[in-house]
Amino acid sequence: DVKVTQSSRYLVKRTGEKVFLECVQDMDHENMFWYRQDPGLGLRLIYFSYDVKMKEKGDIPEGYSVSREKKERFSLILESASTNQTSMYLCASSFTDSGSHPSYEQYFGPGTRLTVT
Amino acid sequence: GQNIDQPTEMTATEGAIVQINCTYQTSGFNGLFWYQQHAGEAPTFLSYNVLDGLEEKGRFSSFLSRSKGYSYLLLKELQMKDSASYLCAPWGGYNKLIFGAGTRLAVHP
Repeated sequence: DVKVTQSSRYLVKRTGEKVFLECVQDMDHENMFWYRQDPGLGLRLIYFSYDVKMKEKGDIPEGYSVSREKKERFSLILESASTNQTSMYLCASSFTDSGSHPSYEQYFGPGTRLTVT
Repeated sequence: GQNIDQPTEMTATEGAIVQINCTYQTSGFNGLFWYQQHAGEAPTFLSYNVLDGLEEKGRFSSFLSRSKGYSYLLLKELQMKDSASYLCAPWGGYNKLIFGAGTRLAVHP
């Protein structure tokens, strides 16, 4: 079974704090993703990575950065947390395209509900 | 631009059939995923369509029309545990899925 784990289920931080959200997958997937999910807006892609040390901006990268030093681990960093970053954060991983669909299926972690006060 | 449209909420009765529609406009298209997400949980994979037509998988089926930018998810013999959000996600290429806001389905006895 593919397993994607996230460091915390719930997190409460203060405005201006630096926040680290960690994600680990155990299936040797090349691709990893960070999303945030807000009511009525669905899942929005923040950043993704298709290889170690590689990263690409998603649709809403402002206020976030990422780090991928090892294949299995992808970290999301909020340099200075703000109240509008209160959200559910979901990490996902997938294989790189091999021409067949299952390789693009994304496997999600349980999510981290972050509250910034 | 990219746009995905699906109903916000639907209700249905246990044992019935429900169809959740999704229309999309994306800059690239290689296929379309449907995910199920129970409240407070992570999305889980339901189905994938790359060719036009119907893909059946037990009680769940998914249909795609690439020329119309349209897909639907059909759920038969509804059960209470099917109460969840259903996310339409076109695959726009380069490993990226684009998720709709989701349809929240409530199944009543």
